[in-house]
Amino acid sequence: EIVLTQSPGTLSLSPGERATLSCRASQSLGGNYLAWYQQKPGQAPRLLIYGVSSRATGIPDRFSGSGSGTDFTLTISRLEPEDFAVYYCQQFGGSPLTFGGGTKVEIK
Amino acid sequence: LQLQESGPGLVKPSETLSLTCTVSGGSVRDRSSYWGWIRRPHGKGLEWIGSTYYGGVTYYNPSLERRVSISLHTSKDQLSLSLMSVTATDTAVYYCVHLLGGLRASANYWGQGTLVTVSS
Repeated sequence: EIVLTQSPGTLSLSPGERATLSCRASQSLGGNYLAWYQQKPGQAPRLLIYGVSSRATGIPDRFSGSGSGTDFTLTISRLEPEDFAVYYCQQFGGSPLTFGGGTKVEIK
Repeated sequence: LQLQESGPGLVKPSETLSLTCTVSGGSVRDRSSYWGWIRRPHGKGLEWIGSTYYGGVTYYNPSLERRVSISLHTSKDQLSLSLMSVTATDTAVYYCVHLLGGLRASANYWGQGTLVTVSS
């Protein structure tokens, strides 16, 4: 099983700042098999990024994804008030599909 | 596309958990659409349960494979989840999802989720 480790656990930032979230896989995903989700309290997760770097429908361009192999990054260029939430990465290159433990982006 | 889960919120240990997801704005008969279930056990992270599509192939999490079944019900545009011999560790919020382009893929649409508690 591929284990995804997200860091940091919590990121305290102010609106307008840049957020950089990390997702590290225990082994290579073998391709662009990584996605990022945003989840707010009481809501289902929302797909932000698929295939490492492709934005899902309706996702603003301040969200971007990058990486390869075992190291992946989600960047939010300028935090908007609605971006404070928990972010999860997911891999689908190995079986079973697995998720990271999440990074909480909170208002500083 | 909208997904809506339904089913009992309380299941007794050793019994079978059964959930239904009703699809609107799309169809489970669409051969290019893939469907699945994901859960969040209480106090834990997201866990992939399994997926299927109209072609009949399924993919299950190996840790649940002996107990789980996912089916499509084309006449009602629904998918179902059946999990046998449940224990307290199966207490979770269960999400119905639409997958982006395959049985093993990212989930681009999610239901709101339904809490199922396993308790006597």
